[in-house]
Amino acid sequence: DTAVSQTPKYLVTQMGNDKSIKCEQNLGHDTMYWYKQDSKKFLKIMFSYNNKELIINETVPNRFSPKSPDKAHLNLHINSLELGDSAVYFCASSQFNWGAFFGQGTRLTVV
Amino acid sequence: EDKVVQSPLSLVVHEGDTVTLNCSYEVTNFRSLLWYKQEKKAPTFLFMLTSSGIEKKSGRLSSILDKKELFSILNITATQTGDSAIYLCAVEHPPGGSNYKLTFGKGTLLTVNP
Repeated sequence: DTAVSQTPKYLVTQMGNDKSIKCEQNLGHDTMYWYKQDSKKFLKIMFSYNNKELIINETVPNRFSPKSPDKAHLNLHINSLELGDSAVYFCASSQFNWGAFFGQGTRLTVV
Repeated sequence: EDKVVQSPLSLVVHEGDTVTLNCSYEVTNFRSLLWYKQEKKAPTFLFMLTSSGIEKKSGRLSSILDKKELFSILNITATQTGDSAIYLCAVEHPPGGSNYKLTFGKGTLLTVNP
């Protein structure tokens, strides 16, 4: 069984569109994250939620809006997509802030 | 099934000790292996390895890849308390075309005591 699953795995879209990436974890973890990995392999945290409450909100354009309907889900909605948004986005979950389990990533390409 | 296995899962040492962290993998279409250091927030990129037998160094950290035996090690010499973190290993193994796949290990929790 997949512990942390993201959908879709690949997303190609045009500039200006709105898209969502979904994430679900079945580990019973309280904390979920969204990371962005750029072309240089640097993995940067975007958001962190603990029990549906926003804990970390790094310097991310407000076009990115996370939504956590319950502690097993953390979705990422992106409005007005730009070329610079192209990257791989990783969802992760953890318990007690260690041992993060990552999803396999969503490669977003904005054309 | 693609998998990345790190060992040990946790390790406690004293300052000044040398540690070796292990990462083995079984994937199709291997492209590269990445090491990250994860502290409170985002993992910090350490190394990217693509070729066997070529050691990469950054200060007290070094890493090497063995593509024949399908593993990598991360060495930390003269450890300091600031090295305490989770070390993540990840493998890039794109299935082909423009597809992308990155599989992470579960990490090694390193604790360095003064």
